[in-house]
Amino acid sequence: DAGVTQSPTHLIKTRGQQVTLRCSPKSGHDTVSWYQQALGQGPQFIFQYYEEEERQRGNFPDRFSGHQFPNYSSELNVNALLLGDSALYLCASSPGTGILTDTQYFGPGTRLTVL
Amino acid sequence: AQKITQTQPGMFVQEKEAVTLDCTYDTSDPSYGLFWYKQPSSGEMIFLIYQGSYDQQNATEGRYSLNFQKARKSANLVISASQLGDSAMYFCAMREGKDTGNQFYFGTGTSLTVIP
Repeated sequence: DAGVTQSPTHLIKTRGQQVTLRCSPKSGHDTVSWYQQALGQGPQFIFQYYEEEERQRGNFPDRFSGHQFPNYSSELNVNALLLGDSALYLCASSPGTGILTDTQYFGPGTRLTVL
Repeated sequence: AQKITQTQPGMFVQEKEAVTLDCTYDTSDPSYGLFWYKQPSSGEMIFLIYQGSYDQQNATEGRYSLNFQKARKSANLVISASQLGDSAMYFCAMREGKDTGNQFYFGTGTSLTVIP
């Protein structure tokens, strides 16, 4: 049973550029959430996709956008990169039942460095 | 206010001993779930244990147990018989029942080092 996968593993970009990160959820999961984890901090919720729609969004600017495909995989796009966007980006998948016990299972993350 | 507070930036424990990692939470929602994750240096968050706000008993999963004190709003993780492989960052997280989505709020984490 494949877990959550993310690509690429590492990425280096310069300020002002755009980046796209990809995530494939765990088998049987239809909900994908994205988190940003700055160095020494806990993950911060960016947004969540369910049924190809953004269901919930955290306190992140519109430069952060996403997409979910019919096969439940997802992309995170960040435009006009800033130095402060340097972080580990984590994707998590969960079943879309909406009950409290829905555990989020995380991928290995994409480490983005903005120079 | 922070929804999840972890006040121990770093902890040390001797191999085979037990250790408690502290977590306090803040919510007015009567329905919520509490989660603990382990993050090794590789970066992947590994789910350890879950406790629901209405659960009468403390959750246990192998060597992990959750000391849930609802009145104090605390959900401490207890790791028994520590192993060298337990050295990692540990994060406490909460999900509120009122959220239509599944947003998790994380604390800042505790770095655990197991000493041989």
